[in-house]
Amino acid sequence: GAGVSQTPSNKVTEKGKYVELRCDPISGHTALYWYRQSLGQGPEFLIYFQGTGAADDSGLPNDRFFAVRPEGSVSTLKIQRTERGDSAVYLCASSPMTGSDTQYFGPGTRLTVL
Amino acid sequence: AQSVTQPDIHITVSEGASLELRCNYSYGATPYLFWYVQSPGQGLQLLLKYFSGDTLVQGIKGFEAEFKRSQSSFNLRKPSVHWSDAAEYFCAVSEKVFGNEKLTFGTGTRLTIIP
Repeated sequence: GAGVSQTPSNKVTEKGKYVELRCDPISGHTALYWYRQSLGQGPEFLIYFQGTGAADDSGLPNDRFFAVRPEGSVSTLKIQRTERGDSAVYLCASSPMTGSDTQYFGPGTRLTVL
Repeated sequence: AQSVTQPDIHITVSEGASLELRCNYSYGATPYLFWYVQSPGQGLQLLLKYFSGDTLVQGIKGFEAEFKRSQSSFNLRKPSVHWSDAAEYFCAVSEKVFGNEKLTFGTGTRLTIIP
């Protein structure tokens, strides 16, 4: 079956602009995670959804970052007033349910802020 | 807070040689441990995981890992590497907070294979 997909694969924007990154999880997966991977680093947790609600947003770096999952499937990560330090690969993962143990990752969106 | 340390940033091995990638974790309770592999332009792929039971776990692509509680380690091994194993390898520990299993990753080890 289809895996986790993320669009766009690459996004180049200018400092101060607004961007949206999309994640399509595996069909039927109720848990969805966003991570950010900076160059030379491992992925860092941003936010976790169980169904439509953000159950844990403790990893969001500041209030410029926001994520939604209105229908419990597709999720959008939104970044306002982008800064050069936001440049990274943003990874999305989904999991069948809480306690399922395995997260399936998408290929990521590479965001470059000029 | 939990943490994961991968002491080797970059490892080079010859094709056909054995491989061991190190991982040390810090976590209060019994950890859930994972190894993921990331090839250029690809998403993270799960190689293997440890939750409980037998401390030697087998994964895909001929990889195995051994959980050693006394050493807080979960090292990844392969008896004979192939050129296609060249990639970035990440060790991760799972934390259950608010009922979710968010992962904390190490900084990764880049594996280069030479002919």
